[in-house]
Amino acid sequence: DAKTTQPNSMESNEEEPVHLPCNHSTISGTDYIHWYRQLPSQGPEYVIHGLTSNVNNRMASLAIAEDRKSSTLILHRATLRDAAVYYCVGGPYGQNFVFGPGTRLSVLP
Amino acid sequence: DTGVSQDPRHKITKRGQNVTFRCDPISEHNRLYWYRQTLGQGPEFLTYFQNEAQLEKSRLLSDRFSAERPKGSFSTLEIQRTEQGDSAMYLCASSSTGGRGRDTQYFGPGTRLTVL
Repeated sequence: DAKTTQPNSMESNEEEPVHLPCNHSTISGTDYIHWYRQLPSQGPEYVIHGLTSNVNNRMASLAIAEDRKSSTLILHRATLRDAAVYYCVGGPYGQNFVFGPGTRLSVLP
Repeated sequence: DTGVSQDPRHKITKRGQNVTFRCDPISEHNRLYWYRQTLGQGPEFLTYFQNEAQLEKSRLLSDRFSAERPKGSFSTLEIQRTEQGDSAMYLCASSSTGGRGRDTQYFGPGTRLTVL
């Protein structure tokens, strides 16, 4: 399983964009990058995933570096409800089991 | 789609007792995962099933832990002779291997275990 490293915490102001980085230098060519987030007292929820190309969905965008050793989750306009722990998880599709401690995002009003 | 449900939500037990948790996945999902999460850490993989077959178990899963998914629907996780170190949140997730959004994991709310 690919190991990932993320900053322990980040802060953002409400309604500003947030870029959450993740390093996954040991990722293999067929490993997907998934992002999940966990709100307080809840189980993690899926945010987005990708393999090589940048991806967009209603929640966020995912920018994957050309060498695939890093990626960035982009929240275009942070809201107070986006305050959570964000996990970047790398691994074969359907086997993304290794969660690190994640990045705790604080959103300031 | 009623989401993944787990029962009970909270369990307090004394050291040495056995406990069993239940997970009901999203009905059309054929994969089911168990994770454990302690304070300040990310979820730690324990095991997963595809239908009724248990395909992988973490090396960290001691022989006091056993999981079943007898009919490929709900699953149970049993911990025998609980220890204080077993205190954690136990998370269940499910996914589908087919269709749009395949293998996206959907998590339940978790069962919080406290071992006294």
